[in-house]
Amino acid sequence: DAGVTQSPTHLIKTRGQQVTLRCSPKSGHDTVSWYQQALGQGPQFIFQYYEEEERQRGNFPDRFSGHQFPNYSSELNVNALLLGDSALYLCASSLGDRWNYGYTFGSGTRLTVV
Amino acid sequence: QKEVEQNSGPLSVPEGAIASLNCTYSDRGSQSFFWYRQYSGKSPELIMSIYSNGDKEDGRFTAQLNKASQYVSLLIRDSQPSDSATYLCAVNCWTNFGNEKLTFGTGTRLTIIP
Repeated sequence: DAGVTQSPTHLIKTRGQQVTLRCSPKSGHDTVSWYQQALGQGPQFIFQYYEEEERQRGNFPDRFSGHQFPNYSSELNVNALLLGDSALYLCASSLGDRWNYGYTFGSGTRLTVV
Repeated sequence: QKEVEQNSGPLSVPEGAIASLNCTYSDRGSQSFFWYRQYSGKSPELIMSIYSNGDKEDGRFTAQLNKASQYVSLLIRDSQPSDSATYLCAVNCWTNFGNEKLTFGTGTRLTIIP
């Protein structure tokens, strides 16, 4: 049973560029949530996708956008990258509203903006 | 006031002793509480969930919840060097739009001293 998979593992981008991160949820899960974790901080909620729609969103600018595909996989896009966007980006999957049982996280994508 | 607060540590505990980690939250409507363990450079791993007042035990781990005091804790008995990690408290919090999101504290770094 595959867990949550994220790609790529590491990424280096230049300020102003755009980046796309990818996530495949755990088998049987249909909801994907994205988090940003800066060094020394806890994960910060970016947004959540369910049935191919953004269901809720955290306090992140519109430069952060996402998409969910019919197979429940998801992408996180960040435009006009800033140095402050350097962080570990985590994808978590859950089944519908049953995230109350706890998220399963992927191994993350480490983004470095230079 | 932060939604979820933890002492950042670091907390140092001798091997074999009890490690006590604390967390407070601000949303009185919160119903679900989680503890995640995160090793350096890795993604968070769910180790405990608790939903009712009182204690919940799982092996060497005990989670304690007091909703009246808005306080949740994690006790680790017989601490082992492999328990050295950052421990994240996570709580479901209601957004201004009537949705729930899982909110994390900044984490407590725990070091077990052999």
